Amino acid sequence: RKEVEQDPGPFNVPEGATVAFNCTYSNSASQSFFWYRQDCRKEPKLLMSVYSSGNEDGRFTAQLNRASQYISLLIRDSKLSDSATYLCVVTLNQAGTALIFGKGTTLSVSS
Amino acid sequence: GAVVSQHPSWVICKSGTSVKIECRSLDFQATTMFWYRQFPKQSLMLMATSNEGSKATYEQGVEKDKFLINHASLTLSTLTVTSAHPEDSSFYICSARRSSSSYNEQFFGPGTRLTVL
Repeated sequence: RKEVEQDPGPFNVPEGATVAFNCTYSNSASQSFFWYRQDCRKEPKLLMSVYSSGNEDGRFTAQLNRASQYISLLIRDSKLSDSATYLCVVTLNQAGTALIFGKGTTLSVSS
Repeated sequence: GAVVSQHPSWVICKSGTSVKIECRSLDFQATTMFWYRQFPKQSLMLMATSNEGSKATYEQGVEKDKFLINHASLTLSTLTVTSAHPEDSSFYICSARRSSSSYNEQFFGPGTRLTVL
């Protein structure tokens, strides 16, 4: 079983749509959770951290369910510039360890 | 912000040659740097964790004698792919963790695209 699993998509949505991505992780000892964004042939960039209480950053909302080992990302009012691959990422402790990446979910927003 | 650079950004080499990739933290000190590899349509996979002044820790399945890592200073880590073969062609990305941070945010370099002919 893969450590971090995501639906690869692609998700093709029109501008203005709301889209949700899901992610599951296998290691219950995982402690930190993130969503990264990766554009084609570029490095990943941190989009937001994910907290148990859920957190929002503008049009982006992230949720974590530790009991189900499930993470989600909701994007409201999609923009063309949101087109990218969204990577679900976990670490096993708070500091000093490497990131464990999912394969990513590809989003394509069209006009 | 925290900036990480990589050099070169791309390289094409013949099979059997060695290629060195540099990863630098430009405006912060990084006691820990990480090297990842990404094949097309695959996730980033950790190759090794590099700690300043000590030997790198390699992930299972990564040959330490083939992928030489040196982290000689708080701002520089190098990855040398020795005797490169076509199957080593990939996107190599480093990341650096700020020494002063208790928070596990890592800053990624722009990556190096290696093509071995």
